[in-house]
Amino acid sequence: AQSVAQPEDQVNVAEGNPLTVKCTYSVSGNPYLFWYVQYPNRGLQFLLKYITGDNLVKGSYGFEAEFNKSQTSFHLKKPSALVSDSALYFCAVMRGGGFKTIFGAGTRLFVKA
Amino acid sequence: ETGVTQTPRHLVMGMTNKKSLKCEQHLGHNAMYWYKQSAKKPLELMFVYSLEERVENNSVPSRFSPECPNSSHLFLHLHTLQPEDSALYLCASSQALGTALSNQPQHFGDGTRLSIL
Repeated sequence: AQSVAQPEDQVNVAEGNPLTVKCTYSVSGNPYLFWYVQYPNRGLQFLLKYITGDNLVKGSYGFEAEFNKSQTSFHLKKPSALVSDSALYFCAVMRGGGFKTIFGAGTRLFVKA
Repeated sequence: ETGVTQTPRHLVMGMTNKKSLKCEQHLGHNAMYWYKQSAKKPLELMFVYSLEERVENNSVPSRFSPECPNSSHLFLHLHTLQPEDSALYLCASSQALGTALSNQPQHFGDGTRLSIL
């Protein structure tokens, strides 16, 4: 069975500081991993994905994520946070070749000016 | 503009009403999804359609009835809903399932906020 855990309900960071939003997963076989962001009154927007290859993937708005197979993690990072990054972030996993994507519960990011 | 349009954006209905949610995608995708998003809960996958055939029905109560007349349109028919069904209902689409393109991300609409009185 597939599962995703986002251990933090909320992450607070000051503008200009680096941010990390944590995600761990469980899936049989090779995972496809995704990060999405949701702003108020909007749907989810795709940020980045890991399918295969380089463990560090870069995405939209300066975000990046590192795939760590041994720790089954896919943490989202950004070197310098912006107030406009404040939103709800979802990690998701799909088993390679499957058709069902499992989403985490979401982590709310607050960036203070 | 995500390429996925959901209507209406807001819906208030009584428990005995019948209404439908509509989703339309302009991305040429072959797979479409319905999700339920409730506060402080993970996103719940309700239904998945691939090439207009339902491939996933996640033990959803029969008061929710999906319809996919073609690969661009998806409906969710609602009847005799309960107060706990109040939530944000999100539609999404993706390029293909069960193929080499199944690793492509999903594109979401902005949802229908449903309130059951």
